[in-house]
Amino acid sequence: SQQGEEDPQALSIQEGENATMNCSYKTSINNLQWYRQNSGRGLVHLILIRSNEREKHSGRLRVTLDTSKKSSSLLITASRAADTASYFCATAAEDSNYQLIWGAGTKLIIKP
Amino acid sequence: DAGITQSPRHKVTETGTPVTLRCHQTENHRYMYWYRQDPGHGLRLIHYSYGVKDTDKGEVSDGYSVSRSKTEDFLLTLESATSSQTSVYFCATRAGTGGHEQYFGPGTRLTVT
Repeated sequence: SQQGEEDPQALSIQEGENATMNCSYKTSINNLQWYRQNSGRGLVHLILIRSNEREKHSGRLRVTLDTSKKSSSLLITASRAADTASYFCATAAEDSNYQLIWGAGTKLIIKP
Repeated sequence: DAGITQSPRHKVTETGTPVTLRCHQTENHRYMYWYRQDPGHGLRLIHYSYGVKDTDKGEVSDGYSVSRSKTEDFLLTLESATSSQTSVYFCATRAGTGGHEQYFGPGTRLTVT
């Protein structure tokens, strides 16, 4: 079963604009992670936020976590053509760190 | 990047034939995972391993088996391939000692005709 649900399913913006993607989940979590997948490639880990954290930054990425709403957002600032990819959230449950539960992803297209 | 390779990268096979996919890692990571990815779905866990000879089922394990005889290798076998197993298969690893992120291989595209 899918825990994380990303919104929107697809997003197309102009280069230089900011892109925001959202993820909702259903159960209590230990951490939430965001991954990027370029077309035809494996996934690459971007950032991890723990359940006791509310915001985290990494370069042009900003992730927020609201455990009361069971939701997270990923903001990519000053988007570039190379940011074109699919973005997935994945949650690790409180009771198990072995497994990640994945959302269906947001397909981001950056127009030059 | 973790050194994770998958073989083969592409395979076409016929319904009813057995198929084995291989994942090889050079990072000495404890945990290894097999996922499948289908359009409209996120990744779905097939099987995972938490050590040599230690494996467990994931969400969509029916029709699949795994083996891990060495830390570096994790094999996924489709006992008798069906068209519903046409998918892209990803292997991933996780260090396990406080590291939560997973590292992915390049994927294997499997078509069952």
